[in-house]
Amino acid sequence: NAGVTQTPKFRILKIGQSMTLQCAQDMNHNYMYWYRQDPGMGLKLIYYSVGAGITDKGEVPNGYNVSRSTTEDFPLRLELAAPSQTSVYFCASSYSWEENSPLHFGNGTRLTVT
Amino acid sequence: GENVEQHPSTLSVQEGDSAVIKCTYSDSASNYFPWYKQELGKRPQLIIDIRSNVGEKKDQRIAVTLNKTAKHFSLHITETQPEDSAVYFCAASMRGNKLVFGAGTILRVKS
Repeated sequence: NAGVTQTPKFRILKIGQSMTLQCAQDMNHNYMYWYRQDPGMGLKLIYYSVGAGITDKGEVPNGYNVSRSTTEDFPLRLELAAPSQTSVYFCASSYSWEENSPLHFGNGTRLTVT
Repeated sequence: GENVEQHPSTLSVQEGDSAVIKCTYSDSASNYFPWYKQELGKRPQLIIDIRSNVGEKKDQRIAVTLNKTAKHFSLHITETQPEDSAVYFCAASMRGNKLVFGAGTILRVKS
């Protein structure tokens, strides 16, 4: 299993540009999440999904959109990039809330908006 | 609102000493409490977790305690080693199957 795969690893955007951060998992997990991590800060939940066709807002959803058309994929869309969206973005997935069922993180996408 | 508060934000200990990190949560329905370790430039990795029907869990030098009445839980690392230096995050499950993280604690183990 590849686990959680995020692409791209790095990206520089100009203000107002759009992009999609890709996330795929091959573990048949129902739950998928997008977090952002600003320098020296914790992880803030942007959006999450409990299954295909179901998405919901997290703590900081403004400026982002998601879709979950399949169990495997959970792309994050930035429509009009702003400098405040400069961050490291982590996608994660899990099977359940059972003990020892960890949240599997991808390697992250480092996004800079200038 | 739904939040998790974590203290301290930084912690320096001498090698061999113990380290304790504390978190409080707001949602009384929370029932799952994991701890993650993040090394510089890497993704967070689960180190230990606990469910609300358990008061304490131990795994070698790491232990987690949970007080559901007070809505707080703690991470205890004994006999700290330089390789324990990292950022540690607590998290709590919230209504709707969300996992909300604390702000993190930078642990430095001095040798």
